[in-house]
Amino acid sequence: ELKVEQNPLFLSMQEGKNYTIYCNYSTTSDRLYWYRQDPGKSLESLFVLLSNGAVKQEGRLMASLDTKARLSTLHITAAVHDLSATYFCAVDPNTDKLIFGTGTRLQVFP
Amino acid sequence: DGGITQSPKYLFRKEGQNVTLSCEQNLNHDAMYWYRQDPGQGLRLIYYSQIVNDFQKGDIAEGYSVSREKKESFPLTVTSAQKNPTAFYLCASRGDHYGYTFGSGTRLTVV
Repeated sequence: ELKVEQNPLFLSMQEGKNYTIYCNYSTTSDRLYWYRQDPGKSLESLFVLLSNGAVKQEGRLMASLDTKARLSTLHITAAVHDLSATYFCAVDPNTDKLIFGTGTRLQVFP
Repeated sequence: DGGITQSPKYLFRKEGQNVTLSCEQNLNHDAMYWYRQDPGQGLRLIYYSQIVNDFQKGDIAEGYSVSREKKESFPLTVTSAQKNPTAFYLCASRGDHYGYTFGSGTRLTVV
């Protein structure tokens, strides 16, 4: 059974600081997704990573994928309050369905 | 604009009652999915369908049923057998280039 684990589960960080969220998964996959969810809202797609070594950046967020290590990272640069949300990674283990991690709740404070 | 429409946004269910959540997409996607999210948790797969008239159970299918009579529609019925249905339900579809699109969700509460 595929397991997708994120850490940390909760992250409180000061504005202007950098941090990384980690996503580990237990079976072979070269499709990994990152989503943002605001309270009471649906999921907003951030990144789709489809190959080993893929790196994508949007604003203060950068995601990477290492399929050999079964690891993806979401790096936050110079955090701002607007980034406060819950972030999910999800893996498609070549079965055409997404398996989600537990989520990382990010709070950015002044 | 293409997208996924879920309705209703809020739904209240009495004990022992079946309720149906609607999910409609105009993206021409073949695959559709239902996920359940409990407070502070991740999403768990209930049912999915890769093609019309075919669907498979996900990880937590007990107490739920689905149909896929049309490509555009994938309704989810929460039956009385689901003992703890209070949750946020998200419908999704998948396109040709591995991109998933999510609806805005239905929040179901048992009263």
